[in-house]
Amino acid sequence: GIQVEQSPPDLILQEGANSTLRCNFSDSVNNLQWFHQNPWGQLINLFYIPSGTKQNGRLSATTVATERYSLLYISSSQTTDSGVYFCAVPLLYSGGGADGLTFGKGTHLIIQP
Amino acid sequence: NAGVTQTPKFRVLKTGQSMTLLCAQDMNHEYMYWYRQDPGMGLRLIHYSVGEGTTAKGEVPDGYNVSRLKKQNFLLGLESAAPSQTSVYFCASSYDEEWHTINTDTQYFGPGTRLTVL
Repeated sequence: GIQVEQSPPDLILQEGANSTLRCNFSDSVNNLQWFHQNPWGQLINLFYIPSGTKQNGRLSATTVATERYSLLYISSSQTTDSGVYFCAVPLLYSGGGADGLTFGKGTHLIIQP
Repeated sequence: NAGVTQTPKFRVLKTGQSMTLLCAQDMNHEYMYWYRQDPGMGLRLIHYSVGEGTTAKGEVPDGYNVSRLKKQNFLLGLESAAPSQTSVYFCASSYDEEWHTINTDTQYFGPGTRLTVL
């Protein structure tokens, strides 16, 4: 199956700083999603981004499918950005996502006031 | 819309006991999933369903069974719980056939069920 690696595993920043989180995957994909798991455990979908760039407020994401990586940018960090950020791709190469997702181990982000 | 809901939120079992976790979604989604999350790990797929009456195995299906008798509900059963099944269980859903968009495979997650098996 597809392997997903995220870096860095941990990141501690001061409020107002910018950060870049990286996701590498081992095979071509047609579906990539970024999630934020808040300190209470809730998983929120941030982006569905199989290729290209998307922006949503202070967050943006870029996926370069041909080079098998995706980046999540967080600008002007706030304490509410703390939590774990996961990227996920289809479990099966042939799947568009119907077969479920495989997740990286996540980046644990702590934003200090 | 309530989105994806899970029942119960917490449960403690003894080894060998059985239980059923209920997932419900009100988004008219075709696909539903059960994942487990262990400390320091990403989520791993247990079972999934691509429609009412269908189920399929994911990465870690052993020790679990599922049923999808109604489109909006997806049940996860543990017939004989083991300590290795102590985990947080998440249900997710995706794909509304009637509102097919470019983001149609976006998965929406429930709040999770924290299960401890002693």
